[in-house]
Amino acid sequence: AQSVAQPEDQVNVAEGNPLTVKCTYSVSGNPYLFWYVQYPNRGLQFLLKYITGDNLVKGSYGFEAEFNKSQTSFHLKKPSALVSDSALYFCAVRGRNNNAGNMLTFGGGTRLMVKP
Amino acid sequence: DAGVIQSPRHEVTEMGQEVTLRCKPISGHDYLFWYRQTMMRGLELLIYFNNNVPIDDSGMPEDRFSAKMPNASFSTLKIQPSEPRDSAVYFCASSLGSRTSGFMFFGPGTRLTVL
Repeated sequence: AQSVAQPEDQVNVAEGNPLTVKCTYSVSGNPYLFWYVQYPNRGLQFLLKYITGDNLVKGSYGFEAEFNKSQTSFHLKKPSALVSDSALYFCAVRGRNNNAGNMLTFGGGTRLMVKP
Repeated sequence: DAGVIQSPRHEVTEMGQEVTLRCKPISGHDYLFWYRQTMMRGLELLIYFNNNVPIDDSGMPEDRFSAKMPNASFSTLKIQPSEPRDSAVYFCASSLGSRTSGFMFFGPGTRLTVL
């Protein structure tokens, strides 16, 4: 079985400061890892993914995430937070055997609050 | 493509009434998923289809919930009778299963309020 843990329900950061949203996962074999973002009253939007290759993945809106196999982590980062980054962030995983049409297992979500 | 389309966007109904939520997946996608999102339980997978066939409905809360996919471009999630605890945002998502590195596309969701 695969699972995702997002240990923080909420992360608060001041605008202009770096941000980190934490994610750890459990899956058989090597993972595919994803971050989705949900703005108020909207569906989940794809942000970035790790498939293979460089452990540092760059995505939309200046976000990046680092895959750490030994720590089974995939933390989301941004060097300088914007107020508009305030949203709900979901980490997701699936194994490399294409089970169920790319169905993902999601973490519980972390609310990011960026204050001016 | 317009993405995954859901209707209605908002639904307010009274306890005991039947509710039908609708979803149009992205054209060509062969997998369709229904999720429910609440503050207490986060994102829960209710059911998913492959080529219009239900594959896993173990997440459906109880017999009051049913889902159908009569063709590749349309799916419904029905609650009958509805209860206040069904109040949540219901998301539909689709994906192309043959793309092993692909991912899921989500619709905007239907916010259901049962009074």
